[in-house]
Amino acid sequence: DQQVKQNSPSLSVQEGRISILNCDYTNSMFDYFLWYKKYPAEGPTFLISISSIKDKNEDGRFTVFLNKSAKHLSLHIVPSQPGDSAVYFCAASGGNTPLVFGKGTRLSVIA
Amino acid sequence: GAGVSQSPSNKVTEKGKDVELRCDPISGHTALYWYRQSLGQGLEFLIYFQGNSAPDKSGLPSDRFSAERTGGSVSTLTIQRTQQEDSAVYLCASSSGTGADNEQFFGPGTRLTVL
Repeated sequence: DQQVKQNSPSLSVQEGRISILNCDYTNSMFDYFLWYKKYPAEGPTFLISISSIKDKNEDGRFTVFLNKSAKHLSLHIVPSQPGDSAVYFCAASGGNTPLVFGKGTRLSVIA
Repeated sequence: GAGVSQSPSNKVTEKGKDVELRCDPISGHTALYWYRQSLGQGLEFLIYFQGNSAPDKSGLPSDRFSAERTGGSVSTLTIQRTQQEDSAVYLCASSSGTGADNEQFFGPGTRLTVL
């Protein structure tokens, strides 16, 4: 029973365009959401997060949007760069519970 | 070192053997987590340690899996009588506290292959 779902295993985007990665969750107790980025042979690195009291958080080229009623969040990267090519994991937590991760979306930014 | 380190980076073992995976967290981090990532799957939580509190073992998939953290620092994940389905990348992370808003810093992982 997957509580955090990333339904697109892969995404290709042209350099300079917007990348939109989507994530859905089922547990209404989740109140904190994170995106991690992973390069091959490296551990995931934290990218951006959002608390359930907000619906948007922006950090440079990265923006996370949260739609609580739809239990949906998305990560926007604009403009996309070749160095953004990686696997992106969505994660969620409720209170002090361990993070629950999605299966990841592999983003390829084509020059 | 500045980051989380794990050893070995790769481990190939035969079904039925025991393996030990090591994690050195960032110095001063009180929380330490173990995850595994099987092929095509997301990160699956296994266990976490916070200070001197009893560890949260709720993610361990079977009693063949155990972990300890000595002196509040280094941690070892042990898998006894390995099975082929244990093949995965085992990731360790540490943070300055628990709570999702405490950033977890991940090591590079140990790729375990059970033949």
